[in-house]
Formats: sequence, C-alpha cells, structure tokens
Amino acid sequence: QLQLQESGPGLVRPSETLSLTCTVSGGSISNGDYFWDWLRLSPGRGLEWIGSINQWGTTYYNPSLQSRVIISAATSKNQFSLELMSVTATDTGLYFCARDPQNPRGLIDQWGQGTRVTVSS
Amino acid sequence: DIQLTQSPSTLSASVGDTVSITCRASQTINTWVAWHQQKPGKAPKLLIYRASNLQSGVPPRFSGSGSGTEFTLTISGLQPEDFATYYCQQYKSPPWTFGRGTNVEI
Repeated sequence: QLQLQESGPGLVRPSETLSLTCTVSGGSISNGDYFWDWLRLSPGRGLEWIGSINQWGTTYYNPSLQSRVIISAATSKNQFSLELMSVTATDTGLYFCARDPQNPRGLIDQWGQGTRVTVSS
Repeated sequence: DIQLTQSPSTLSASVGDTVSITCRASQTINTWVAWHQQKPGKAPKLLIYRASNLQSGVPPRFSGSGSGTEFTLTISGLQPEDFATYYCQQYKSPPWTFGRGTNVEI
C-alpha cells in the first residue's frame, strides 16, 4: 500500500530556507493519475495547502505562499521536495506530504504522518 | 479563497454517543467536501469525499451529508479509536482550504 514519509531538518533559522523531502513507497510518483502535495498545520493558520506537482513537473501553489515556494520532483528516486524561502516564526508547524488525484483535483486521499519544523534562532 | 467555518471546536463525548460536526462554506461548493481524521503522531486519514461518500476501509459509523454551503459529519456510536481531531476540506476551487478542526475528546 502507498506510504509517504517526510524528512528534513526539524529546526530552521529565520530568513533561511526550509527544505523537506517526501519519499513515496508502494506507488510511483510518475503515475499520471495523481498530483503530489505539500500541506502544513500551524497554530496560527490551521491546516493550509502549500502546493502540488504532477509527473510532468506542472506545479500549482497557494497564492499566499507562491512567492516563497518551490516544489520539485525526482522521479528516479520516487521523491518530491519542498523549499520554502525566507522563513519566519509563523512558518513553524507540522508539514505533511500527500497524494491528490488529478480527477478531481484537490481531494487529498493519502497523507504522510508529518514532520515538525520549528523556525527559531 | 473559500472559507470553511467548522463547529464546535471541541466536543466532549462518551463511548457509544452519536456526535455531529458542522462545516459551513463562505460560498457554494456543491458537494466538493471531504472530511479527514487526524490523531497525534499519525498520518491524517480521509474519511468522506464528495460530502457523503465513505472512503474504502472506513467504518460505516462515519457518515457525511450536505450540499451547497452546509455540511455535517456524523459518528454514530463513538468508539475509543474515534477520539481525534476532524477537519473538513473543500476542493471546489483552489487554493484548497480546510476548517479549523474539531477535537473530539472523552
């Protein structure tokens, strides 16, 4: 069965870049039926969709974060990644990777367990 | 963005109770609503999609209803493993948005 596992530093300094990777097992991110998403949960903003990528590298981002976010994929490693630049304390939270069918888009049907990131000096 | 207002934020209940959680959308979203369950340290889990469709493997004590702007998740006969936080989500139009969550506690 499909599993998604987030990894990356748990502590990021303010103004630096948060970088996370999602490793997918039990399925391929090259499967054209899905997008692959990043989301986060924070006390201040609740659950928030960050963005998504498909097998062709097409990306969609939440406009509220678009200027600071890059999502990329490494299909040979069956991984996709998140970079969030110029972080502040408000970017502290639990970050999830997830699967999102292309039809309909936006229905998150599989989640990773999340990785906690703290932004602090 | 479409705003989702979820209530209550906390719900105290006992094993065997039937409970309901409401989600109101700031504009009509037809039935493009999902419900997710989250437990600490575990991957969230999709329970309901298209407002009333049970995801494969989810017990039938979970049910969803509604259309337009008002939606309800009902748990009939709470089990110990159901104590968790529940979120509604809209996927009518991006950016996909979520309610602030309902913590179902003992």
